[in-house]
Amino acid sequence: DGGITQSPKYLFRKEGQNVTLSCEQNLNHDAMYWYRQDPGQGLRLIYYSQIVNDFQKGDIAEGYSVSREKKESFPLTVTSAQKNPTAFYLCASTAETGKVAVTQYFGPGTRLTVL
Amino acid sequence: KQEVTQIPAALSVPEGENLVLNCSFTDSAIYNLQWFRQDPGKGLTSLLLIQSSQREQTSGRLNASLDKSSGRSTLYIAASQPGDSATYLCAAVTGNQFYFGTGTSLTVIP
Repeated sequence: DGGITQSPKYLFRKEGQNVTLSCEQNLNHDAMYWYRQDPGQGLRLIYYSQIVNDFQKGDIAEGYSVSREKKESFPLTVTSAQKNPTAFYLCASTAETGKVAVTQYFGPGTRLTVL
Repeated sequence: KQEVTQIPAALSVPEGENLVLNCSFTDSAIYNLQWFRQDPGKGLTSLLLIQSSQREQTSGRLNASLDKSSGRSTLYIAASQPGDSATYLCAAVTGNQFYFGTGTSLTVIP
């Protein structure tokens, strides 16, 4: 049963803590993405990776970090430098990039709340 | 930078009605235009993908059109059902990046 899994579904963070959101895919996709979604706003790109051991910043990378040590895994760390991290975080993947007929597949999301 | 706008932000219709959702984008140099559905608290599910060389795509009761020159796409839903209630997002795709609109929240009233 192929797809993208994200864990945990809900996450609570205290001020000053770093937290890591997990994203795993078994679709054998090359590219993976992290988005942030706030109420009334579209998805905003945090980071993306087109290949193992390589990743690029998106529009709102400040206060976040990622790694891509394995093709199937793309964890996101929300650091204490991120001042307003409460949001819904979505992980996505695509088979390849730069092609005209490529779609994204999404995980179920992680809702992060700062206490 | 690509800007994507969706109007209206929310729409409520009685069951059985046909409806149109709108999406506009500022940069016509796109690979494709995609429509997604998002249920509350869930991830996105791809509905339709229109390549830049195409004018429309159909899947069941859904029909999406693309006019690159005017920077517009529409999603037509025929004979709406309560199960169609969700948020619909469009995305303009350029290279390896997807630019999403803010979505239209659709409620179909039984």
